Amino acid sequence: ETGVTQSPTHLIKTRGQQVTLRCSSQSGHNTVSWYQQALGQGPQFIFQYYREEENGRGNFPPRFSGLQFPNYSSELNVNALELDDSALYLCASKAAGGTYNEQFFGPGTRLTVL
Amino acid sequence: AQSVTQLDSQVPVFEEAPVELRCNYSSSVSVYLFWYVQYPNQGLQLLLKYLSGSTLVKGINGFEAEFNKSQTSFHLRKPSVHISDTAEYFCAVKDTGFQKLVFGTGTRLLVSP
Repeated sequence: ETGVTQSPTHLIKTRGQQVTLRCSSQSGHNTVSWYQQALGQGPQFIFQYYREEENGRGNFPPRFSGLQFPNYSSELNVNALELDDSALYLCASKAAGGTYNEQFFGPGTRLTVL
Repeated sequence: AQSVTQLDSQVPVFEEAPVELRCNYSSSVSVYLFWYVQYPNQGLQLLLKYLSGSTLVKGINGFEAEFNKSQTSFHLRKPSVHISDTAEYFCAVKDTGFQKLVFGTGTRLLVSP
């Protein structure tokens, strides 16, 4: 069984640019969440996708957007990058339904904004 | 909204000594609680979770945690740590009404020989 994978591993961008991060869900998982983890902080929830639609969002501005594809893989897009966007971005997938289903995290993409 | 507080940013301990990492959560309403571990340059791995039932939860790698509703705590313990336990540990709670996780700021466990 393949776990959650993310690409790229590392990325360097300059302020004002746009970036796309990618996530492949674990087999059988149809729900994907994205988290931002700034240095020295815990992960912060960005948004969640289920059946290709956003069904929950944290306290992040609209320049953070996402997509989920029919194969349940997902993208996180960030426009107009700011220095404070430098962080580890984590993707997590899980199966839908039930009282609670465990989220499985990928290794993350480390974004540096200069 | 739910929140968690991890009281210690860093915990130094010698190998084979016991350790406790502290976590308090914000609400005494029905909660789901979790501990995750993050090794350097890696993602998060679930150590253990409390959804209901027994208040003593056993996880992987010899860790356990006790859910204490009266003290709104969910402290993580291990009776004897190894060098390989050096990592960042995060306490998390499932937010009310939505299946997102709210994380604490983390506790860095430093195990030395």
